[in-house]
Amino acid sequence: DAGVTQSPTHLIKTRGQHVTLRCSPISGHKSVSWYQQVLGQGPQFIFQYYEKEERGRGNFPDRFSARQFPNYSSELNVNALLLGDSALYLCASSLLGSNNEQFFGPGTRLTVL
Amino acid sequence: AQSVTQPDIHITVSEGASLELRCNYSYGATPYLFWYVQSPGQGLQLLLKYFSGDTLVQGIKGFEAEFKRSQSSFNLRKPSVHWSDAAEYFCAVGGTGGGNKLTFGTGTQLKVEL
Repeated sequence: DAGVTQSPTHLIKTRGQHVTLRCSPISGHKSVSWYQQVLGQGPQFIFQYYEKEERGRGNFPDRFSARQFPNYSSELNVNALLLGDSALYLCASSLLGSNNEQFFGPGTRLTVL
Repeated sequence: AQSVTQPDIHITVSEGASLELRCNYSYGATPYLFWYVQSPGQGLQLLLKYFSGDTLVQGIKGFEAEFKRSQSSFNLRKPSVHWSDAAEYFCAVGGTGGGNKLTFGTGTQLKVEL
């Protein structure tokens, strides 16, 4: 079975641009969470979606938004990119919406110049 | 608010030696605890998890961890380290109040000397 997949693998943008990152969960998983991992740090929680509804939001500005589609895949959008948005963005899927083991994808490496 | 502290940023051990990585958590109720491993440029792989029950949990690749409520700790151990264990290790805590949010520590970078 395929694991969590993310696209693209790498991305280079300039300040002020917009970016969309995509995630496909493990088949049968209905929850997707997004994390930001800055170099040298642990992942920081951004969003969780379950059954297409937002279930949790971390301490990130409104420039960050996400959504989940009927097939449970998800997009993370970041507007007005800043240099500090450069990071590895990780997607994790789980079977249910709470108290569940999460399976992580390989991540999207975003570089903002 | 939940938090995780991994006091050791870097650890170096010789191949074949034993390993213990420290993790302390802060959470108001019984937490869900996890250890993940990350190789360079890769995502996170779950090594083991504690939800309830036996406080000594076994994971993949010969790792184990012990939940000690009195010390708010969840240290990761391995009796004999292999060169392929070199990676970054993250401890994480999840809430029991709903949602899947994980709070991670800052990680411990493990180097294995041959």
